[in-house]
Amino acid sequence: EAGVTQSPTHLIKTRGQQVTLRCSPISGHTSVYWYQQALGLGLQFLLWYDEGEERNRGNFPPRFSGRQFPNYSSELNVNALELEDSALYLCASSWTTGVGEKLFFGSGTQLSVL
Amino acid sequence: AQSVSQHNHHVILSEAASLELGCNYSYGGTVNLFWYVQYPGQHLQLLLKYFSGDPLVKGIKGFEAEFIKSKFSFNLRKPSVQWSDTAEYFCAVNAKGTDKLIFGTGTRLQVFP
Repeated sequence: EAGVTQSPTHLIKTRGQQVTLRCSPISGHTSVYWYQQALGLGLQFLLWYDEGEERNRGNFPPRFSGRQFPNYSSELNVNALELEDSALYLCASSWTTGVGEKLFFGSGTQLSVL
Repeated sequence: AQSVSQHNHHVILSEAASLELGCNYSYGGTVNLFWYVQYPGQHLQLLLKYFSGDPLVKGIKGFEAEFIKSKFSFNLRKPSVQWSDTAEYFCAVNAKGTDKLIFGTGTRLQVFP
């Protein structure tokens, strides 16, 4: 069974640019979560999508947005990149909408903003 | 707001030593508690979880964690670590009825043979 896949694995951008990160959940999973892992800050919850809708978002500015497609894959968009956006962005998926269920994580996209 | 604290940022042990990693959370209601582990070069994966019942939870690879409600803690323990336990360990909390899984900052464990 294929795991959660994310692309690209690495990305280098400059301040002010826009970036799109992609995530394909495990087959059958309907929920997709996005987390930001910045140095020294642990995993910060960004967004949660389920059945194509945004269910919840963390304490991030509106320039962080995303969507979930009918096949349950998801995109995370970050506009007007800032230096502090440099981080590992992790996607996770689960069977149900309950966060009590086990999350399966991808290997992440390492974003560097110069 | 919920928060999770992992006070040990970096722990270095020799093989066969005992391990205890601290995790404290701030939330007054009922919680689901998790420990996730990330081995070098691998994805984050679930180590163990607590939803209800016996506060002593056993997970994979000989790990266990104890939920102490009065202390808002969910410390991870292993009696005798192995070199293969070298990894980063994350505690996570979900307040029941909410949609967020809040992670701590992680603890990097290095075990030397």
